[in-house]
Amino acid sequence: ELKVEQNPLFLSMQEGKNYTIYCNYSTTSDRLYWYRQDPGKSLESLFVLLSNGAVKQEGRLMASLDTKARLSTLHITAAVHDLSATYFCAGLNTGTASKLTFGTGTRLQVTL
Amino acid sequence: DAGVIQSPRHEVTEMGQEVTLRCKPISGHDYLFWYRQTMMRGLELLIYFNNNVPIDDSGMPEDRFSAKMPNASFSTLKIQPSEPRDSAVYFCASSWDRGTGPFGEAFFGQGTRLTVV
Repeated sequence: ELKVEQNPLFLSMQEGKNYTIYCNYSTTSDRLYWYRQDPGKSLESLFVLLSNGAVKQEGRLMASLDTKARLSTLHITAAVHDLSATYFCAGLNTGTASKLTFGTGTRLQVTL
Repeated sequence: DAGVIQSPRHEVTEMGQEVTLRCKPISGHDYLFWYRQTMMRGLELLIYFNNNVPIDDSGMPEDRFSAKMPNASFSTLKIQPSEPRDSAVYFCASSWDRGTGPFGEAFFGQGTRLTVV
């Protein structure tokens, strides 16, 4: 059964700084997803990483996937307050079921 | 498509009452998932369906919880009787199956915030 771990669980960072959120998963998962959740809102899909070495970028966020290391990262460049949210990674269970296993989430707080 | 639609958005009920949450998945999606989110336990998968058939309900906490999907465009999650510890946000999500679309990515509804007093 796929297990997904994120760290850190909570991240407080100043505006303008860079940081990385890490997502490790336990077994083969050739697809990795990143979601964002604002307080009191639903989960919104950010990135879909389909293969080893995949890199996706949007604005100040960049996600990458290393299937050999079973690691995905979400890098934040020059953080701004609007990026404050909880970020989840999720792996796709291999086999017949298209079921995602979510990490615990990283709550990001960007301070002025 | 309007996305995954859940109703009601908020529900406040008294302990012991029956609660029914509703979900309309994205048209054409083959999978439907029910999640529960709390501060203490995070995001939990309760049950999921493939082509209207329940595949795995191992996440359903107790027999008080039941879910149905009578057709491809509608699902319900019922709690009977409800208890204060059921208070949470319940999300419904849907996705494509392998071979029918860009499978895997789950699209979430806005959630139902349930408060049991």
